[in-house]
Amino acid sequence: DTAVSQTPKYLVTQMGNDKSIKCEQNLGHDTMYWYKQDSKKFLKIMFSYNNKELIINETVPNRFSPKSPDKAHLNLHINSLELGDSAVYFCASSQGRIGNTIYFGEGSWLTVV
Amino acid sequence: GIQVEQSPPDLILQEGANSTLRCNFSDSVNNLQWFHQNPWGQLINLFYIPSGTKQNGRLSATTVATERYSLLYISSSQTTDSGVYFCAGKKSSGDKLTFGTGTRLAVRP
Repeated sequence: DTAVSQTPKYLVTQMGNDKSIKCEQNLGHDTMYWYKQDSKKFLKIMFSYNNKELIINETVPNRFSPKSPDKAHLNLHINSLELGDSAVYFCASSQGRIGNTIYFGEGSWLTVV
Repeated sequence: GIQVEQSPPDLILQEGANSTLRCNFSDSVNNLQWFHQNPWGQLINLFYIPSGTKQNGRLSATTVATERYSLLYISSSQTTDSGVYFCAGKKSSGDKLTFGTGTRLAVRP
């Protein structure tokens, strides 16, 4: 009965590869997010979707492309992976655009070698 | 966006001690949350507290919106309280939730 689940939890891949991280929430929320946490623990939003509409698109390389097939899913695809993409990626969800309480997934540890 | 400052950046406590963590915002917020990231990396929402005071067990939080700060109180700390505490705020609908740089807490047995 996990609220926000993301897969895979760990991912080790070579530079230049393309990879995807999937996220699903069963809380009935209409807003989902992708956050990136770097090695210094700094959390920064990358994207946010409300009812499948992109509402926040921070300055991230266009190698990162989010896709929301429905309100309960938000996937992150990364092309041509670089060493600097190594980080923990967190999916999150909330009800409403104002945000209310945000619930995070367990994170996906991406290591690019 | 807004700037979020947290203090102290690091804190070491003996088990049983009390502590106060502070979060300052550069502008008024209508959405303010506290999170705990445990040593395994899980981010847990502690409080949604844009104003006023809330309590949950040994933890409580107070936000003084007019003065742009929030406090998180931890009483009778336990080793399981160790981790990083983040506050995050958002100014208005559509703005992103901006996180502070966190307070890293270590509780010694």
